[in-house]
Amino acid sequence: DSGVTQTPKHLITATGQRVTLRCSPRSGDLSVYWYQQSLDQGLQFLIQYYNGEERAKGNILERFSAQQFPDLHSELNLSSLELGDSALYFCASSPQVPVQGAVYEQYFGPGTRLTVT
Amino acid sequence: QKEVEQDPGPLSVPEGAIVSLNCTYSNSAFQYFMWYRQYSRKGPELLMYTYSSGNKEDGRFTAQVDKSSKYISLFIRDSQPSDSATYLCAMKNAGGTSYGKLTFGQGTILTVHP
Repeated sequence: DSGVTQTPKHLITATGQRVTLRCSPRSGDLSVYWYQQSLDQGLQFLIQYYNGEERAKGNILERFSAQQFPDLHSELNLSSLELGDSALYFCASSPQVPVQGAVYEQYFGPGTRLTVT
Repeated sequence: QKEVEQDPGPLSVPEGAIVSLNCTYSNSAFQYFMWYRQYSRKGPELLMYTYSSGNKEDGRFTAQVDKSSKYISLFIRDSQPSDSATYLCAMKNAGGTSYGKLTFGQGTILTVHP
């Protein structure tokens, strides 16, 4: 158990709908990362937050947005859902201050499996 | 073309075999190289990481990086059925604003049969 929790574990919804995925980082971790894992694209970085501020952005669609709250939990909002958004969504956290040139272990949660029908 | 290429396998070996997993990459800015293991229905977990070129050993696992060839490898000695999982290589720039961004390979599915 990594200490990162994600809810819900599974989500089934229809095209055009909006969903919110929730992540609680490990105790004391300030950085939160969101990843999408699909069969065709593999594991792809979406976005990173550090202590409430956006720090890095990947190929995140405009229909997707995220935020990190003062208690450090994070939410990933997916709107106008399409069939192709069906995937596993992982949240990861790391403890240290993000510093250029450094790498810190990212602890991954169990993921949320999203199915869009 | 993807920045990181990894043969998805699947790879099936007998217990005790030496396993070689590989990734190639195209982005010269990658300086940190990692291997993650992902069991079915679980999140990835970090196995090893190396900086720049060279080798690193940890028990039965050895990671190698050849930056001149843009090629990294993970070797598993005396493989065990418990090593059956998907292995993902991941890479990171040294600088820039992408502080935490990891770029992953597609993952190789490994099965070690008794």
